[in-house]
Amino acid sequence: NAGVTQTPKFQVLKTGQSMTLQCAQDMNHNSMYWYRQDPGMGLRLIYYSASEGTTDKGEVPNGYNVSRLNKREFSLRLESAAPSQTSVYFCASSEGMNTEAFFGQGTRLTVV
Amino acid sequence: RKEVEQDPGPFNVPEGATVAFNCTYSNSASQSFFWYRQDCRKEPKLLMSVYSSGNEDGRFTAQLNRASQYISLLIRDSKLSDSATYLCVVNVGNQGGKLIFGQGTELSVKP
Repeated sequence: NAGVTQTPKFQVLKTGQSMTLQCAQDMNHNSMYWYRQDPGMGLRLIYYSASEGTTDKGEVPNGYNVSRLNKREFSLRLESAAPSQTSVYFCASSEGMNTEAFFGQGTRLTVV
Repeated sequence: RKEVEQDPGPFNVPEGATVAFNCTYSNSASQSFFWYRQDCRKEPKLLMSVYSSGNEDGRFTAQLNRASQYISLLIRDSKLSDSATYLCVVNVGNQGGKLIFGQGTELSVKP
């Protein structure tokens, strides 16, 4: 009953370092999403993948790249981390547009 | 203008009160609508989907007005356990589309 699994749960980076956040779902969902959540801002969509092989920009894509490696996995990469990218990152997946989205437990990222 | 906007919070209400949250969305092509609940910065979880005809789940009632691009959530007989942040969510587009969240409204139910 794993659902959506994100790794790591916590990370501290120095400015300019790179890292990849991993996300995997075991529900055979078509759509996957990456969000960031900052105080008072709600969840903001970074990138999404409506189906395997496609990715699209969301509300705040600058500074990020994504890869839909296969149907199960959707990774988020920070090429050169900045303090403004300090946030909580959530991955989610859903079967389709009219169905419930399930979330991972989040990655708490601090960039110093 | 944000694509999905919610009432600013926080809402502080006594147990047993009725409280209503409102949400507006800007994209008329929006296809589906939801209310999510988030506790203490944990992951959001679906509270209920919102259908055109309106729908009810126990003490919770959701309404959709497509003409006004407006969604609401009514909570009756509030419980302490209802304290959380409530997120309005809109799916824009087809083939999965973009799942856009409002900024959330915090509810605190007091004894």
